[in-house]
Amino acid sequence: GAGVSQSPRYKVAKRGQDVALRCDPISGHVSLFWYQQALGQGPEFLTYFQNEAQLDKSGLPSDRFFAERPEGSVSTLKIQRTQQEDSAVYLCASSYLPGVISGANVLTFGAGSRLTVL
Amino acid sequence: SQQGEEDPQALSIQEGENATMNCSYKTSINNLQWYRQNSGRGLVHLILIRSNEREKHSGRLRVTLDTSKKSSSLLITASRAADTASYFCATDALGGGADGLTFGKGTHLIIQP
Repeated sequence: GAGVSQSPRYKVAKRGQDVALRCDPISGHVSLFWYQQALGQGPEFLTYFQNEAQLDKSGLPSDRFFAERPEGSVSTLKIQRTQQEDSAVYLCASSYLPGVISGANVLTFGAGSRLTVL
Repeated sequence: SQQGEEDPQALSIQEGENATMNCSYKTSINNLQWYRQNSGRGLVHLILIRSNEREKHSGRLRVTLDTSKKSSSLLITASRAADTASYFCATDALGGGADGLTFGKGTHLIIQP
């Protein structure tokens, strides 16, 4: 598609439920990033994929968070046993170049998935 | 943790006026980027400035970078109602570290018609 697509746009979960958020990046983009954005804050880095390889997961807040990109295109962010502090917008971004250091890498963001944990 | 800090946190001006937002960061960088986020939407890239550049223009946008002070500014000239949004600076980390861009907390800009 023309842009980065994320689904669902809105998700309400009861505390303790598992959720899965999907990201469909721009076709051919090597890099895929997940960010978490709390209300009124800037995005915070969660994890980075280069093709199917998860090269950096230093931002994942706990072992309840898991991300995968098995075929190097679509990615899924899974949150197990959701807690109220997980409520946030989860943004996915992709870019043509690998990483952000090489060259001047501009990210294209999806509209985000807003997760509310009750 | 967030690398950049934008100020002001919120800015309200009249349509047609210029809007200036500032960003400070902590570590040495390769590049600094500015993004815009409209309410309920994803971020949109506006402009990128490299660490060896001091000033860059794109349409009504002017960005400056002072690496000695670890700061950048974004100027929007002749503001329009459609410029109402949150603006974030984002940096990479020279020498590695997390592979993602690190964003500031943003400046919420309101343009009064």
